[in-house]
Parts: sequence; structure tokens; C-alpha cells
Amino acid sequence: GAVVSQHPSWVICKSGTSVKIECRSLDFQATTMFWYRQFPKQSLMLMATSNEGSKATYEQGVEKDKFLINHASLTLSTLTVTSAHPEDSSFYICSASLGQGFSTDTQYFGPGTRLTVL
Amino acid sequence: GEDVEQSLFLSVREGDSSVINCTYTDSSSTYLYWYKQEPGAGLQLLTYIFSNMDMKQDQRLTVLLNKKDKHLSLRIADTQTGDSAIYFCAEAGGGNKLTFGTGTQLKVEL
Repeated sequence: GAVVSQHPSWVICKSGTSVKIECRSLDFQATTMFWYRQFPKQSLMLMATSNEGSKATYEQGVEKDKFLINHASLTLSTLTVTSAHPEDSSFYICSASLGQGFSTDTQYFGPGTRLTVL
Repeated sequence: GEDVEQSLFLSVREGDSSVINCTYTDSSSTYLYWYKQEPGAGLQLLTYIFSNMDMKQDQRLTVLLNKKDKHLSLRIADTQTGDSAIYFCAEAGGGNKLTFGTGTQLKVEL
């Protein structure tokens, strides 16, 4: 149980284009989903927290107009990297939680999406 | 902000025990987690411990928590080559997010 999928697993795009990454909870309804970014050999950095039906809460320093998050249903959240540039290349990981987003609610992680911007 | 530190690399021989250490600064931590990340993959939850416990055992995994020193460790008994991965500790304190450690790369040699 508690399986989270991401699609695509790997994407290469040209600079200036937009890329959408999907995160789905396959066997449970996720009240809260989280989006992380991970640089090579580094830890995960939380980008934003989203609750179904409401606007995402972005961490300090994360541009909400660049990283658009939509959490339209209890099983799907999307992250759109708009006008991507090479510095946006990274490993993006989502997680989903049954709870209301309190840190004591266990998070289940997706397999990640590798984004490369040329 | 809160800080979680781990050593970067650990190498052990197959069959030996591995001990991965983690220190944190948030005195209000309620839950502490250990996650495993294999190359190119997301994070797999291994185990967690509530802050009022000092030990938790789950098959080959033993978690020790010294709340006074804010020190957490993960012991893997009879380490196998399939255990080679990066291990992250994470703490859940006040607020609604996890703070992850820097990650420890475990290499298991034959």
C-alpha cells in the first residue's frame, strides 16, 4: 500500500519551454502532497506543500510563478516548470500524505523525475 | 533554521553491521525517520521512531535515539550488497515539513 507514482521519470527539454510533472497516489487519497528538489549528492529541499483544492504554500526562495503547482484531486498533483532554463535541471521528487500536512504525518515518496534542460 | 547532519560516506563488508549516525538541532522533534534512496529513485521509508522512545527494532534494523544529545543512529545487521544506497535521516518538529539530513552513502563490499 501507499504507492506514489511520478510521470515522466525522465525528461529533456529545450531552454524556454515548459515541463509538467505529474504525481499520483495510486492506492490512497492524499490530502497533502509535497514537492522536493534534489541536486546531485545533496539532500532534498522542500519546494512547496499543496493541499487538495487550495493554493500551494511555497518555501522561501521558491518562485511560485516559475514552479506552478496544481492539486486538483486527492490523487493527483502537478508541478509545471515554466520557461525552463539549464539551472532548473534537477531531480524532482513528490511525496504524498494522508494527513493535513503536519510533519508527523508519514510521507510516501514517488520515484522522482529527472529534468534536464538544454 | 533547523539543522540535520550526517557523515557523508560509510563503507562496510558484507555480513558486518553498519551504523549510520545523525545529529539534529530541533529540540521539539516529535518523530525521526530513516529513508533509503537507491540510485535514480525516490525515497523509501525504512523506519521511524517517536521522540519518547529510545530504541526501536525492526528485523535487521535497530534505531537508537539519544534525545538529550539529539543523536539518532540506524544499525543494519548482516549488511548485504542490496543495502548499498544513500540513507537519509529526517526530523519532524514544529510546523508541517520534514527536515532532511545530508545523506550517508553506504557502500557494501564483498
